[in-house]
This record gives sequence, C-alpha cells and structure tokens, in this order.
Amino acid sequence: EPEVTQTPSHQVTQMGQEVILRCVPISNHLYFYWYRQILGQKVEFLVSFYNNEISEKSEIFDDQFSVERPDGSNFTLKIRSTKLEDSAMYFCASSIARQGGGNEQYFGPGTRLTVT
Amino acid sequence: AQSVAQPEDQVNVAEGNPLTVKCTYSVSGNPYLFWYVQYPNRGLQFLLKYITGDNLVKGSYGFEAEFNKSQTSFHLKKPSALVSDSALYFCAVRESLGGSSNTGKLIFGQGTTLQVKP
Repeated sequence: EPEVTQTPSHQVTQMGQEVILRCVPISNHLYFYWYRQILGQKVEFLVSFYNNEISEKSEIFDDQFSVERPDGSNFTLKIRSTKLEDSAMYFCASSIARQGGGNEQYFGPGTRLTVT
Repeated sequence: AQSVAQPEDQVNVAEGNPLTVKCTYSVSGNPYLFWYVQYPNRGLQFLLKYITGDNLVKGSYGFEAEFNKSQTSFHLKKPSALVSDSALYFCAVRESLGGSSNTGKLIFGQGTTLQVKP
C-alpha cells in the first residue's frame, strides 16, 4: 500500500540554523500539507500546497517558513532560521483531491525537530 | 471559527468491552469529520470519515462512528475492544465546500489516549 514517507525521522539543529524537512507524498496525490505537533499539544495546520503554489497558510507559517516541490516527487518544508519554539513533530500529508470532495489525507510518520 | 473538542484525555476499557471515544465539533457550515489513530513512532492513520448520508459510518479495524448533527458530535465506537487498539486517537473536522476555507485544512482535537487492558 502506498505511503507518505518523511526524512529524516529526527533532526537536531542549533537555534538560528536552517533546516529542510523532506516528504515524498503518495504518487498520484495532488494536494500536499504540512502540520506540526508541539509535544503535548494539538496537531496544527501549517500550509497547504497545490499546483506548485500555496493554497492556504496558517498564522504560524510566517516568513521563516517556505515550501517547495522541487522535482515532482519531493515536497519540502524549509525553516530559514530556527527558534527554540519550532521544536515539534512535523507531519507531511497528501490527498488525492481537495477535501471539498471529502477525501481523506494520508500522513507520513513525521520528523521530530529539536532546536537547541 | 472551526474547532474540535475531545473531552477525555484518556479512556480506559477492558478487553472485550465496548469502547467510546468522544468528539464534538463546531463549524459554520456542514462538517466533514474524520478519525485518525496514532501508534507510537508512527504517523496518523486514517480510520473513517463522515461526509454525508448515513449517520453511522464504519471504518478500519472494526471501528465505527456516529454523526449527530443536533449534538454536533462524532463519537468513535467499537463493540469489542482489543489490547492492540491501545493508541492515541484524533478527531478532525473541516468545512465542506462553500465555507470560508476550502483548501483541505483539517482542524484536530487534542487527542484521546485509549488504554485497553487485558
């Protein structure tokens, strides 16, 4: 069964450094998402992406964040200058169509980002 | 604003007994409702969804959920719990097309830990 994959599983970085989190969505999916979960808190939406552009972003997704689909298979989340409060589990998700059609999102296993 | 509440941080049930994990929601339009399960060190796995139609929806691993519009609830149920059902369960909602957001953003509850004891 196709799965969303994410690398690395755990990333440790120093404050102020740039990190890139990578995701490979399910191959025939067209809509892509990033969510994050700070330890002990809710899963929060960050950004949705379709047709090579951002569809919607949350207030968390400020200028320090960017997303890209560089080669038709990978979907990346870049944090330009990490802060301590960026420490969280980051989940990538994809769906075959917009949720307006009621299609479920499939999630990757997550990347645990630790900023020291 | 859309929101989801899971009033119980943890639910404990004995193996073989029925289980219920509660979820209530708030959206301005018609809801699409989802349940996901998370096992340790794994991503969120889709269990079931309500889009329209029959209020009782059936999903993976014997789980089902009942949509109740008047109570704005979508409780997850299973007639006979297994120890292997022990995990973290998330309810999520999004508005159907026509709402202020149609980009697929899911709003999650805080999660409920289900502990099934032998």
